[in-house]
Formats: sequence, structure tokens, C-alpha cells
Amino acid sequence: EVQLVESGGGSVQPGGSLILSCAASGFTFNSYAMSWVRQAPGSGLEWVSHIRGSGGDTYYADSVKGRFIISRDTSKNTLYLQTNSLRAEDTAVYYCARGSGETLSGYWGSTTYYHMDVWGKGTTVTVSS
Amino acid sequence: DIQMTQSPSTLSASVGDRVTITCRASQSISSWLAWYQQRPGKAPTLLIHKSSILESGVPARFSGSGSGTEFTLTISSLQPDDFATYYCQQYSSYLWTFGQGTKVEVK
Repeated sequence: EVQLVESGGGSVQPGGSLILSCAASGFTFNSYAMSWVRQAPGSGLEWVSHIRGSGGDTYYADSVKGRFIISRDTSKNTLYLQTNSLRAEDTAVYYCARGSGETLSGYWGSTTYYHMDVWGKGTTVTVSS
Repeated sequence: DIQMTQSPSTLSASVGDRVTITCRASQSISSWLAWYQQRPGKAPTLLIHKSSILESGVPARFSGSGSGTEFTLTISSLQPDDFATYYCQQYSSYLWTFGQGTKVEVK
């Protein structure tokens, strides 16, 4: 069974840090891109960060760029999100999601388009003094 | 960034109703659009990707259409399990963005 299990959430003061983890099982982890998506209380979904299967390319939402770092350990089948300089507005449930891609090739090169086909149950981060 | 706008924000309907949700992109995203369902207190689940491709295991009463900037999600006959919030999401650019969500509630 394909499964993603997040952990590492908790309560932290503004300016603090947390490391979120996402343990993957049931699929070949290094063959898939992975993303983090968050949802503030009573709000919609916000994409946070994405990392390619190879781990070489990473992308961030403007709201977290320079403060969060996404990484993956293929030997442990685990995705991470290092969250630094946390703010009250970072309070949210953080979901990891698997990215399933379709690659288009042309004279310009190739581009892969990823949708998120498997999601974990989420881990809650609360930033408050 | 590409902005995604869903309408309506809330939709009141009854079991058996045909329901349509619209999603508009601020610029063309070709067919790189996904739809997700989220029940209260649960993680989102993928319903449709590439505008109209139904995910395995998703009931055939769900369908998606559109390309460019305008997209729709249709539920042909609303079932009790379908009362939930639905989100569209574009994945044309590497700054993925979601619509604000459409809550389908009991009329």
C-alpha cells in the first residue's frame, strides 16, 4: 500500500524552528518528486515546496523562500522540511504529497508536469508566544 | 504567479443534483489542472488530473473539462459522500497554486 506519514509538528515560539518528516512506503521513493502543502486553520490549501526525484531541483513559495528548506534521504525513504524563523502565519497542517509527472519533449527541451496523487494525513505546526 | 479563482465559494445542493464548479486561471495553463476533494478533518484526495483524467477508483459521476483558462468539475448525481470542499490546482508553472475552494453543502 502506498503510504505517506508525516511527523515532527508541534508548538513553537515565533522565530523558532522545526523539522518536519514524511516517511514514504509502498513505492519507489527516488522515482517520484515530492511536495509539501499546508493549510492554515479554516483556510484553503497552499503549496509550500517541491523537490524532484533526484533531489537536485527544489522550488519554494515566496512566503517561505529563504526560511524553509526541503530535502530528501533516499536511503531512509524520507522527505524533510526544515522550517526556520517561524511566524504566526506559518501555523497550519502540513501535508506531504507525492508528485506524479508527465514529461513533454520538444525542440526547446523537456518539461515535466507534476500533479499530487498521494497525500499524507498531515502534521500540525502551531507558532505562538 | 498564476491565480486560480473558483466559483461559487459555497454551493448548496441535494442528493441526486447535478453540480458544476468552475475554476478560472489568470493565464493559460493548457490542461495542467487537477481537482481535489477534502472532507472535514481529512487530507485532500486527488479526483482528476490533466483537466479530465479521472483518478483510479474515483466514481464515474465525477468529470472534468476545460483547457486554457476555464475549467469545470461536474458531479452528475450528488451522493452523500460528496458533501465536501473541492479545490482546483494548476501545475503548469513551478509555483503551483490552488483555487480558494468550493464547499458543497446540504441544501
